[in-house]
Amino acid sequence: EAQVTQNPRYLITVTGKKLTVTCSQNMNHEYMSWYRQDPGLGLRQIYYSMNVEVTDKGDVPEGYKVSRKEKRNFPLILESPSPNQTSLYFCASSFQQGWIYGYTFGSGTRLTVV
Amino acid sequence: KQEVTQIPAALSVPEGENLVLNCSFTDSAIYNLQWFRQDPGKGLTSLLLIQSSQREQTSGRLNASLDKSSGRSTLYIAASQPGDSATYLCAVNTGANSKLTFGKGITLSVRP
Repeated sequence: EAQVTQNPRYLITVTGKKLTVTCSQNMNHEYMSWYRQDPGLGLRQIYYSMNVEVTDKGDVPEGYKVSRKEKRNFPLILESPSPNQTSLYFCASSFQQGWIYGYTFGSGTRLTVV
Repeated sequence: KQEVTQIPAALSVPEGENLVLNCSFTDSAIYNLQWFRQDPGKGLTSLLLIQSSQREQTSGRLNASLDKSSGRSTLYIAASQPGDSATYLCAVNTGANSKLTFGKGITLSVRP
């Protein structure tokens, strides 16, 4: 089954303790990205990757890091989490065929930083 | 900068009604528009994807239309059911870094 898999689904951590949220897709998509969803603010892009070893900042990159060493994986790293990073996080991958794009989202990771 | 607006933020209807959810966007230079469904605390489920060259897409009781020139899309839900209760999100892809710009969503409640 074609899917984007995120882990963990739920995570409670303390301020300053480094964490990684994993994301993997099995569709051979070149594009991958991370979004966060907050009440009243909607979904906002954190980072994106257009291919292996090619990553760039989205709209809200502060406090986050990413890497893309393999096509299928795109982990999100919080080096020193803070309470304002408490949010619902989504990983997405997308294909491009000419001018045609399509997105698939993971099931989300609910992060609480205390 | 692309902005996507969905109004109203919430909608409550009785079961069986046909309803229209609206989405507007400020920059008509889009590659596609996608409608998603999100259940509380859950992920995003893609409902319909309309490429910029298309005018509409249909899936079961759902029909989405796109008018690029006026910056509008509508999601039509026929014969609504309580199981349709969810938040419906509209998102446009302008192709720049393959980013989706989302509206804040419309929370739909279908009363039995």
